[in-house]
Amino acid sequence: QKEVEQNSGPLSVPEGAIASLNCTYSDRGSQSFFWYRQYSGKSPELIMFIYSNGDKEDGRFTAQLNKASQYVSLLIRDSQPSDSATYLCAVNPPYGGSQGNLIFGKGTKLSVKP
Amino acid sequence: EPEVTQTPSHQVTQMGQEVILRCVPISNHLYFYWYRQILGQKVEFLVSFYNNEISEKSEIFDDQFSVERPDGSNFTLKIRSTKLEDSAMYFCASEGVANYEQYFGPGTRLTVT
Repeated sequence: QKEVEQNSGPLSVPEGAIASLNCTYSDRGSQSFFWYRQYSGKSPELIMFIYSNGDKEDGRFTAQLNKASQYVSLLIRDSQPSDSATYLCAVNPPYGGSQGNLIFGKGTKLSVKP
Repeated sequence: EPEVTQTPSHQVTQMGQEVILRCVPISNHLYFYWYRQILGQKVEFLVSFYNNEISEKSEIFDDQFSVERPDGSNFTLKIRSTKLEDSAMYFCASEGVANYEQYFGPGTRLTVT
């Protein structure tokens, strides 16, 4: 059973702080990893993706991947109240005839307090 | 900016009825997906579609479900005989060639009574 695990939270941080969101996955052969943001009642919105070990930065967001530990994280710098949402980690498994379906974690709810 | 669109935004149907959920993927994308999210639960993969055929399907995607790309723009999910447990948000996603980024539509909330 391929699993993606996330702490459900809520994670509460003050405005301007760094929010750190974590995710582990069970399939060691997984190749690509995605972070989506989902506001309540809305659809998932792609924030960023990472394929290689190490860090990848995009604006206030940094994704970190450690394949040996099967761990991926998302850092949000200078957190804003508008960042308050549920953050979904998704993994693209190594099998499949298409580009591959995504396996999602349950998400971590982030609350940024003004 | 191109986006995935879905209709209707909310569908209410009685148990046993057929429903068709519609999606218009991003125009130059070639890979299409349906996912569902039961209230309070995680997003679950249903089916992927490429080159006019199903590429993969999950255990959820049983004989009651079917997908079709009836023309060059629409992508549909049909549920033949709805059950109460089919009540969920259904998301369509599309993906371009060789970029592995799936973009989601706004979803259709299906309520089966």
